[in-house]
Amino acid sequence: RKEVEQDPGPFNVPEGATVAFNCTYSNSASQSFFWYRQDCRKEPKLLMSVYSSGNEDGRFTAQLNRASQYISLLIRDSKLSDSATYLCVVNMERDSNYQLIWGAGTKLIIKP
Amino acid sequence: DTEVTQTPKHLVMGMTNKKSLKCEQHMGHRAMYWYKQKAKKPPELMFVYSYEKLSINESVPSRFSPECPNSSLLNLHLHALQPEDSALYLCASSLSGGPTFVTGELFFGEGSRLTVL
Repeated sequence: RKEVEQDPGPFNVPEGATVAFNCTYSNSASQSFFWYRQDCRKEPKLLMSVYSSGNEDGRFTAQLNRASQYISLLIRDSKLSDSATYLCVVNMERDSNYQLIWGAGTKLIIKP
Repeated sequence: DTEVTQTPKHLVMGMTNKKSLKCEQHMGHRAMYWYKQKAKKPPELMFVYSYEKLSINESVPSRFSPECPNSSLLNLHLHALQPEDSALYLCASSLSGGPTFVTGELFFGEGSRLTVL
């Protein structure tokens, strides 16, 4: 089982729709969780940190489910500019250190 | 605009060449990172410097040699690379980080796209 797992997609979604994707992680002692966004041939950029109580930033909502060991990202009223790869990142223990473990990313394509 | 600056943006080198990638940040961050990213793959950690000391080396071949001259600068020296080393090399920084903890809020540079012939 991969330490951090995401559906690679692509998710093809019409503009204005709501889309959600999940990310599962293997280590229950994981400390912190993040969603990064990466546009084609660009660097990753932090989209949201994911807090235990869930958090919202405009059209984006992130949730953490520790019992089932997954985080989710919900995008409402999707825009063409939301097309990107969304990378899940988990700060988890590995070899007595805490390291950032990256999922392989979920590709999202918003269609007009 | 990113506050982490990487040079050069593009680099083509032969297998016998020696070159260096450079990274600079002036945010006062104390941890700096080198990542390698191949097409359609997530970034893959290579090295972490924390307070100018190498804290993580992810079993990277010795043909890659990192250097941290001061808290704002990070270099990656390249020598005798192979064609499979062609990739996007990303530098990142974070406010803090060390052998036993890493903050997740990484700030990335735009990357150096390396082609090895």
